[in-house]
Amino acid sequence: QVQLQESGPGLVKPSETLSLTCIVSGDSINSYYWSWIRQPAGKGLEWVGRVYNRGNTKYNPSLKSRVTMSLDTSKKQLSLKLSSVTAADTAVYYCARVKLSGAWGAFDYWGQGILVTVSS
Amino acid sequence: DIQMTQSPSTLSASVGDRVTITCRASQSISTWLAWYQQKPGKAPNLLIYEASTLESGVPSRFSGSGSGTEFTLTISSLQPDDFATYYCQQYDNYPWTFGQGTKVEIK
Repeated sequence: QVQLQESGPGLVKPSETLSLTCIVSGDSINSYYWSWIRQPAGKGLEWVGRVYNRGNTKYNPSLKSRVTMSLDTSKKQLSLKLSSVTAADTAVYYCARVKLSGAWGAFDYWGQGILVTVSS
Repeated sequence: DIQMTQSPSTLSASVGDRVTITCRASQSISTWLAWYQQKPGKAPNLLIYEASTLESGVPSRFSGSGSGTEFTLTISSLQPDDFATYYCQQYDNYPWTFGQGTKVEIK
């Protein structure tokens, strides 16, 4: 059974960098796309970006200049860094696996999510 | 960016009802569309991918249809466990985008 577990600080100060990790268990990390998706309280879902193998990334242009995603295959974990955060970045952040079917893009496994609050 | 518009935003229905949710894309996305169910405090759960393919383990009362710009999610007979918020998502073009959600409430 594939499991994803996000971790990181729950509180980040404005202008600082949000850093999250997601540990994957139950399957290989190498052959999949992995994504981060976020959801502000009471609102909808926003795709942040996806990473595949070493350095193969796609980011949401709305965040592109601030976001960095990476994979550490030896640790079976993915990471997200979002710089220069503001209150608008307060959200639950999910890591998710992209299903290997057709045009890869549906998310078949999700972490439970981690709430990150941006506040001084 | 491709805009995904769901309707209605809220739907009130009773157990046993047939429920249909519509998702429209601002441009053609072929059949690269997924549907998710989300309950409060939980991560979304994949129901349908490639517009009409049922994810393993999802009850057969859920079905999806459509192509191009118009898609539907149908629940053939609403069950108590189905009261939740539903999202569509396109993965034809980057950035991948979601609809705003449809909340299915108890009538």
